Amino acid sequence: GAVVSQHPSWVICKSGTSVKIECRSLDFQATTMFWYRQFPKQSLMLMATSNEGSKATYEQGVEKDKFLINHASLTLSTLTVTSAHPEDSSFYICSARDDSSSYNSPLHFGNGTRLTVT
Amino acid sequence: DQQVKQNSPSLSVQEGRISILNCDYTNSMFDYFLWYKKYPAEGPTFLISISSIKDKNEDGRFTVFLNKSAKHLSLHIVPSQPGDSAVYFCAAKGGSEKLVFGKGTKLTVNP
Repeated sequence: GAVVSQHPSWVICKSGTSVKIECRSLDFQATTMFWYRQFPKQSLMLMATSNEGSKATYEQGVEKDKFLINHASLTLSTLTVTSAHPEDSSFYICSARDDSSSYNSPLHFGNGTRLTVT
Repeated sequence: DQQVKQNSPSLSVQEGRISILNCDYTNSMFDYFLWYKKYPAEGPTFLISISSIKDKNEDGRFTVFLNKSAKHLSLHIVPSQPGDSAVYFCAAKGGSEKLVFGKGTKLTVNP
């Protein structure tokens, strides 16, 4: 089956530093990837839609200068949390749609990244 | 404003019995619904889906029912197994690829 690899699985960083999270589709091409954030006991909230070859589309309330997204190839999207603060601590999950699948085919999710900012 | 609501944060059932997880939505534009299963520290995995043109979809032990007039869907798992213990998320989409998720229901199946 389709596999999405997300790295790192967890990271601890100091306040003010930047953290990069990678999302790779291992056995399929993904023009479109999605980045979600989940707070404890909350739903997965869509942060942005990442498009290969063009700028990401951010959801309302998400700071694009803080959460930098780069979709460098058809198998890789990265999310960089810049100047991280403790309130950015969360579980970040990426997902991807297989370009060869139909519109309503389910998204494939990575295993997530637990970010803790101290 | 929560467009997809899972009002039960948790559910506990005995092994072999039926598990029924509920989900309500408010957006009439939603035309496709999915259930995902999630274990701690892992990403969600797809379980089953249903299009708004149907009212039932079945896959093995899992059945999803959709009541469009009530804007309600439910996931039935029968018979429930201990390995089904996880958090179940209801998700919906309509007119775009964006998925809107509920808060999830933690299912515990007791042996």
